[in-house]
Amino acid sequence: RKEVEQDPGPFNVPEGATVAFNCTYSNSASQSFFWYRQDCRKEPKLLMSVYSSGNEDGRFTAQLNRASQYISLLIRDSKLSDSATYLCVTFKGAAGNKLTFGGGTRVLVKP
Amino acid sequence: NAGVTQTPKFRVLKTGQSMTLLCAQDMNHEYMYWYRQDPGMGLRLIHYSVGEGTTAKGEVPDGYNVSRLKKQNFLLGLESAAPSQTSVYFCASRLDFEQYFGPGTRLTVT
Repeated sequence: RKEVEQDPGPFNVPEGATVAFNCTYSNSASQSFFWYRQDCRKEPKLLMSVYSSGNEDGRFTAQLNRASQYISLLIRDSKLSDSATYLCVTFKGAAGNKLTFGGGTRVLVKP
Repeated sequence: NAGVTQTPKFRVLKTGQSMTLLCAQDMNHEYMYWYRQDPGMGLRLIHYSVGEGTTAKGEVPDGYNVSRLKKQNFLLGLESAAPSQTSVYFCASRLDFEQYFGPGTRLTVT
């Protein structure tokens, strides 16, 4: 079983609609959580951190549920430019100080 | 700042050939990483370094070697390339929790 699991999608979303997707993580020692965005044939880039209380960044809302060990990302008023793969990422300070990446959820926003 | 750069961007190798991928960062980051990304597999960590002169194995280290002689550079070597090493290779460096990736190297082994 992968340490961070995501539905690969694709999620086909009409422009202007809301889309939400989750990821689950298996290591309860994970300390920090993030969403990265990766455009086709490009490198991943940090989209936002995920805080226990939930946080928003414009049209993006991230939530963390430690009890059930999942993270969610919601995108409101989807734009064509939101089409990308969204990578769920966890971090634990020991074990080499490295991030663990999920396989990504692909989102396609269509006119 | 150039951020994280990778050389080369593309390469085609024959089975058994060797090559070195170069990663450079100008942000003075301690941590550096090499990943490979394959369809359906996500990013897999090959090797990483927590500082100049140190290296450690990740999840898929076999067939690769690395060196971090200077803080700003992290080299990934393939001693005898195999078709299974056809992939996109990303280098990254990290400050705190934000990891910065290079643009990737597309390697094909025939």
